[in-house]
Amino acid sequence: AQSVTQPDIHITVSEGASLELRCNYSYGATPYLFWYVQSPGQGLQLLLKYFSGDTLVQGIKGFEAEFKRSQSSFNLRKPSVHWSDAAEYFCAVGAVIKAAGNKLTFGGGTRVLVKP
Amino acid sequence: SAVISQKPSRDICQRGTSLTIQCQVDSQVTMMFWYRQQPGQSLTLIATANQGSEATYESGFVIDKFPISRPNLTFSTLTVSNMSPEDSSIYLCSVEGGTYGYTFGSGTRLTVV
Repeated sequence: AQSVTQPDIHITVSEGASLELRCNYSYGATPYLFWYVQSPGQGLQLLLKYFSGDTLVQGIKGFEAEFKRSQSSFNLRKPSVHWSDAAEYFCAVGAVIKAAGNKLTFGGGTRVLVKP
Repeated sequence: SAVISQKPSRDICQRGTSLTIQCQVDSQVTMMFWYRQQPGQSLTLIATANQGSEATYESGFVIDKFPISRPNLTFSTLTVSNMSPEDSSIYLCSVEGGTYGYTFGSGTRLTVV
């Protein structure tokens, strides 16, 4: 069964500092990996995704993530955080091979607080 | 990527009643997904809805409680039946967008009193 772990429930970071959110997954097949952001009272917005190819993926809002198969990780990074980045971030895994199912499995989320 | 219109955006309902949530997609999609996000929690898949067939429910979710309709390739509804305060959650629909990934509706924030 697929699973996603986000070890950090909360992270507080100063505005302008760097941010890294951890994501570890367990999946028996080749995974699709996603990072979504949910601002308060909002739906989910896709930040970036990894399907194949270059393991360093660039996304929107200055975010990037690196897929490391050997570590089963897909950590999200941003070099300089803005106050508007305060939100909940979700890592998710899905199947590349659709016969394995189409559903996404989400991690528990990491809430990011940005200090002025 | 697909654009999803979900409504209502929020509602406050009496226990024992039912609420139907609608999702309209601006393009034809094979599968639509319904998720629940309980307060302070992550997203949990309720069911997958294919057009022309019965929805497939995940463990812990049953059709009597969460009946789903999928009358065509652009529309689906989820009903939360016989509601209790434990059903207070955000409900989201989602579609798969191929290389665009999965797109989500803006969610329905349900409070049961």
